[in-house]
Amino acid sequence: GENVEQHPSTLSVQEGDSAVIKCTYSDSASNYFPWYKQELGKRPQLIIDIRSNVGEKKDQRIAVTLNKTAKHFSLHITETQPEDSAVYFCAATPSGAGSYQLTFGKGTKLSVIP
Amino acid sequence: ETGVTQSPTHLIKTRGQQVTLRCSSQSGHNTVSWYQQALGQGPQFIFQYYREEENGRGNFPPRFSGLQFPNYSSELNVNALELDDSALYLCASSSGRIGVGYTFGSGTRLTVV
Repeated sequence: GENVEQHPSTLSVQEGDSAVIKCTYSDSASNYFPWYKQELGKRPQLIIDIRSNVGEKKDQRIAVTLNKTAKHFSLHITETQPEDSAVYFCAATPSGAGSYQLTFGKGTKLSVIP
Repeated sequence: ETGVTQSPTHLIKTRGQQVTLRCSSQSGHNTVSWYQQALGQGPQFIFQYYREEENGRGNFPPRFSGLQFPNYSSELNVNALELDDSALYLCASSSGRIGVGYTFGSGTRLTVV
């Protein structure tokens, strides 16, 4: 089945700096890659997603890039703010029979220092 | 438009007992997926229900079972609870079987003692 690796597990940045979180996946047929933000004690919330036919997608301060050849995708947050502090999860959806489930990475705890 | 609601929010059970968790899907969504999130880990897929039938299952034993009702709400049942079942159980509703457009509920925190 699909396997998603996520790095780093923790990340501390100064307010205003950029943060980058990287994920790799194993199933070359995976075609949908969402990113979720989970604040302490709250539900995971979708912040951005990308499909395999697109290389990059941006939404204000957040961007995701996808390299299908290398089977990795990354989340980029620019001009970080204290409210960006949370745990971020990447996920992948395999195609075919497994396309009903998301396989998640283990998460990255981002701390933005004021 | 209502979101995904789960009940109860917290639960403490004794090893060997049985538990039922509930999930009401978002309006317009016909698919419910259940995930187990252990402390410090990413959510792990348990199973999905689409139009009242199990549509797919992750690597969980048969003592994890579920139901989906005609109004698309769902239950997760766990028999013979083990200490390792302690986790946050999340349900997510979506429109259609493909795992996009997931909306997660706030989860049920289960503690097995």
